[in-house]
This record gives sequence, C-alpha cells and structure tokens, in this order.
Amino acid sequence: DAGVIQSPRHEVTEMGQEVTLRCKPISGHDYLFWYRQTMMRGLELLIYFNNNVPIDDSGMPEDRFSAKMPNASFSTLKIQPSEPRDSAVYFCASTTRKAGAPDTQYFGPGTRLTVL
Amino acid sequence: EDQVTQSPEALRLQEGESSSLNCSYTVSGLRGLFWYRQDPGKGPEFLFTLYSAGEEKEKERLKATLTKKESFLHITAPKPEDSATYLCAVQGRGSSNTGKLIFGQGTTLQVKP
Repeated sequence: DAGVIQSPRHEVTEMGQEVTLRCKPISGHDYLFWYRQTMMRGLELLIYFNNNVPIDDSGMPEDRFSAKMPNASFSTLKIQPSEPRDSAVYFCASTTRKAGAPDTQYFGPGTRLTVL
Repeated sequence: EDQVTQSPEALRLQEGESSSLNCSYTVSGLRGLFWYRQDPGKGPEFLFTLYSAGEEKEKERLKATLTKKESFLHITAPKPEDSATYLCAVQGRGSSNTGKLIFGQGTTLQVKP
C-alpha cells in the first residue's frame, strides 16, 4: 500500500494568496483527518470526514479555512486568504473503524507551508 | 475535557542507557491509547495501540505499558537511530469523540553514541 499521499510537500506563498493542500487517503479507509502542527501548539485536529462527509470542523481556526472531500480518494484543505500565522506543517491521516477496536490513524508525510 | 500530558519534554541518553517516557491522560472512557514516532520532516509513524489497563506491547527495543491514568514507553538499550520525537494520543469512547485523537506535546529523545 502506498500509504497516505499529500501534495505538495512544500509550499511557499505570499500573504493574501490562496493555498490548496491535497490528500489521498489509504484505499479502503473511510475516515480522513486534517491536522496542523506547530512548535507552540503541537498537533491540532482541524477537521475530519467520514464517508466523505465532514463530521467535526470545530478545529478549523476561522472562515479562511475550508476543506472538501469530493470522493473517497481525495480531499483538499484550502486557505484563502493566507496569513503568515498559517505557517505550519499540515498533515492528513486516515483510518477505518473495526468493531471493538480503537481507530489507528496513519499519517501522510505532511505539507510544510510558509506564508511570507 | 480530554487531556494528554507527556514528560519529559526532552531526554538525552547515552547509547545503551535505558529509560522511560511518560504519558498521563484524562479521558471520558478510554477507547485506545496510541504511541507514534516522528522523525524530523516526516509524519507521525504508528508504533503501538493499547486498549486496556495492564496491557503491554513490544517492538524491538520499545515496550509500551498502560494503566488507568498513564502509559509508559520503555526504551531498552537505545541506539542513536531511536532518536526521534515520541507522541502519545488518546481516543475516548464518547460519541463526540468518534475517530478523534487527542495528542500530547511529545518527548524528543536524543541518543548519543
């Protein structure tokens, strides 16, 4: 299995520009998660989907952030307009639920975003 | 509110010097506790899942244990390649926690040759 795939791996943009991060979950996984990691706040859950439907977006910092999952194999996280404080590493993770078992999440390599 | 606290924040060991990392947690019904390893510039890599108090799991030089309030990651005779940040996370049983993991801040381990 190829694992969770994210693109781009690095993104440098200027304040005010639109940024789109992409994720392909592990085939067969029906949960997809977007996280943000910074030195100050660690790993924070932004939003997660189940069967392509957003379940909890309470971690999305503000309206400038939006996420979509048009099908089971693709999701995007968009920031518009971007600000310097959005600079962080963004991770995508996926899992599937097994009866009676915890949901082990598998992470992608991340996208390092720098907003100048 | 579910919470995870890891200690110490950083740990320096000599090669072969065994030690333990701590993960204290509060959660409204534990569905699972997870340990991940994260290398610089990479995503967290899954190590272990623990379900219930008393459970233990091992992988090479690593052994994870679980009680009702905390988990330990024991590192026996570490090698320089064990240097990484180790993350602990919990998943609660509440319906609002479906699928969600709460992560600690991590322990950064450095093993010197």
